[in-house]
Amino acid sequence: QVQLQESGPGLVKPSQTLSLTCTVSGGSISSGNSYWSWIRQPAGKGLVWIGRIYTSGTSNYNPSLKSRVTISLDTSKNQFSLNLTSVTAADTAVYYCAREEGYGGNSGGLDSWGQGTLVTVSS
Amino acid sequence: SYELTQPPSVSVSPGQTASVTCSGDKLGYKFVFWYHQKPGQSPVLVIFQDDKRPSGIPERFSGSNSGDTATLTISGTQSMDEGDYYCQAWDTSTALFGGGTKLTVL
Repeated sequence: QVQLQESGPGLVKPSQTLSLTCTVSGGSISSGNSYWSWIRQPAGKGLVWIGRIYTSGTSNYNPSLKSRVTISLDTSKNQFSLNLTSVTAADTAVYYCAREEGYGGNSGGLDSWGQGTLVTVSS
Repeated sequence: SYELTQPPSVSVSPGQTASVTCSGDKLGYKFVFWYHQKPGQSPVLVIFQDDKRPSGIPERFSGSNSGDTATLTISGTQSMDEGDYYCQAWDTSTALFGGGTKLTVL
């Protein structure tokens, strides 16, 4: 069973870049039919999909965040990362990384999630 | 832009059947996924591709999707089923989540 663990600063200043890393264990990030995703959840609110990257490096982003988001893979470390630029208080949230497995040529859903990490944007 | 709409809350008595709905334009043409999130925990996938259960998910969880509405049904609801339920679908390579439904087992 694959496991995911988020890491990165818990506090980021406004206008700076939020950078998080997700370390994958129990499986290779570059094998299989998987997308690697980031999702966030502001306190007391619902889930917001940020984007995903395929093992080939192809990525998709939420249109509302696309201009500020980059997701990348580091296969040598079995990690993938999120960069979100020009952050404001509205970016304060719990950030989750997750695996999306393919099934029958379509998405099989986000079947494995990290425990989440709280990122606060404040000066 | 495409939206998924869920009722904010649903209540059910223990042992009874709970239904959580998710609405969207022509949603029946898309695959729907359901996630269960307990307070302070990460979401768990309970239904994928409308009606399939991942390994380890109890048989009391089932799903359907037709027309403009997808439904998550929990038969014989237990107290451990309390929490927030989110539906999710894809729209042009973008994942969308519903606003979530808080299930209370009274």
